[in-house]
Amino acid sequence: DVKVTQSSRYLVKRTGEKVFLECVQDMDHENMFWYRQDPGLGLRLIYFSYDVKMKEKGDIPEGYSVSREKKERFSLILESASTNQTSMYLCASSFTGVYPYEQYFGPGTRLTVT
Amino acid sequence: KNQVEQSPQSLIILEGKNCTLQCNYTVSPFSNLRWYKQDTGRGPVSLTIMTFSENTKSNGRYTATLDADTKQSSLHITASQLSDSASYICVVSAGNTGTASKLTFGTGTRLQVTL
Repeated sequence: DVKVTQSSRYLVKRTGEKVFLECVQDMDHENMFWYRQDPGLGLRLIYFSYDVKMKEKGDIPEGYSVSREKKERFSLILESASTNQTSMYLCASSFTGVYPYEQYFGPGTRLTVT
Repeated sequence: KNQVEQSPQSLIILEGKNCTLQCNYTVSPFSNLRWYKQDTGRGPVSLTIMTFSENTKSNGRYTATLDADTKQSSLHITASQLSDSASYICVVSAGNTGTASKLTFGTGTRLQVTL
């Protein structure tokens, strides 16, 4: 079974702090994604990566950056956390070679910024 | 702008009853449509994926239908169980985004199954 893990289930940070969210997948997937999920808005793509050291902006990249130094690990960085970044953050991964490129999600990190 | 709309927003049914959730989309060009189940506080888990040529697909008590002409899909749950209580999210993939598969998510239908 594909396993996508996220470093924390719950996280509380203060405004202005630098925040790191980590995601690890164990299936050698090329593609990795970071989403945020807010009530009434559905999942929105922040960034994705299709290879090590490669990244592309999603729909809402402002205030976020990412890092992918190893194939299995994709990090989301909030350079200076703000209260409007309080949300559920979901990581996903997918394999390039098999259409329809199923995305497998991690359990999520609920981040609260106070 | 690509959009996915789901109805109803929420639904309460008695255990053992059937229900149908609806999804309308305006995503172009269409590649495939997915239904995910998301338990509270957890990540989404895939139930079905349907491509353009498929109009029905089953996964146990879950049956999804797709009408690509009217751009509508439904998810039918048969003989509901308490464990079916979750949010069900309709997701449509556009066909021009290579293997990274850009997805458009609906806001979900929150289903509660009661005794």
